[in-house]
Amino acid sequence: GAGVSQSPSNKVTEKGKDVELRCDPISGHTALYWYRQSLGQGLEFLIYFQGNSAPDKSGLPSDRFSAERTGGSVSTLTIQRTQQEDSAVYLCASSLLPEGIQYFGAGTRLSVL
Amino acid sequence: QKEVEQNSGPLSVPEGAIASLNCTYSDRGSQSFFWYRQYSGKSPELIMFIYSNGDKEDGRFTAQLNKASQYVSLLIRDSQPSDSATYLCAVKAGRNNDMRFGAGTRLTVKP
Repeated sequence: GAGVSQSPSNKVTEKGKDVELRCDPISGHTALYWYRQSLGQGLEFLIYFQGNSAPDKSGLPSDRFSAERTGGSVSTLTIQRTQQEDSAVYLCASSLLPEGIQYFGAGTRLSVL
Repeated sequence: QKEVEQNSGPLSVPEGAIASLNCTYSDRGSQSFFWYRQYSGKSPELIMFIYSNGDKEDGRFTAQLNKASQYVSLLIRDSQPSDSATYLCAVKAGRNNDMRFGAGTRLTVKP
């Protein structure tokens, strides 16, 4: 596609439920990144994929968070047993090469009630 | 100490003035430096990137990098109301290629 696509754009869930957020990167981009942005805050790095592998998972805040990438393309970020503090905008970015410029999707706004 | 620090602002300048946005970083091994602009409710978009010490100009924007001082800045000349946004400084270290963002500086350009 022309840009990074994320779905859903908005997600409202109840505390304790699991959610899946999807990111479809720019075609041909090998690197994919997930970030979290809480209201009025900067971007918090979560995880980075090079191809299907994740060399750096250091940013995942807890073991309730996991991510995978298949076929070197689409990535899914899963949050299990959601908590209210998980409420944020989750942004995905991709770059042609790991050292390259990152292009961002529109984000998924997650609200945990 | 945060890895990337920015003044949160808000920074307010009159239309036509020069806006100066500053950023410091802690990792001396950092190699790539980026400025992103984020309008309210929107995703970040790249404004400038700089890899070498010195100045890099692109239209009304100039990025300045001083690796010895671990300092990177963005100057916006002839500021316009449409420049009003939050500006995020991002730094990429050599390891793992992850990018660390500052909290952003909110800029308001008053007509």
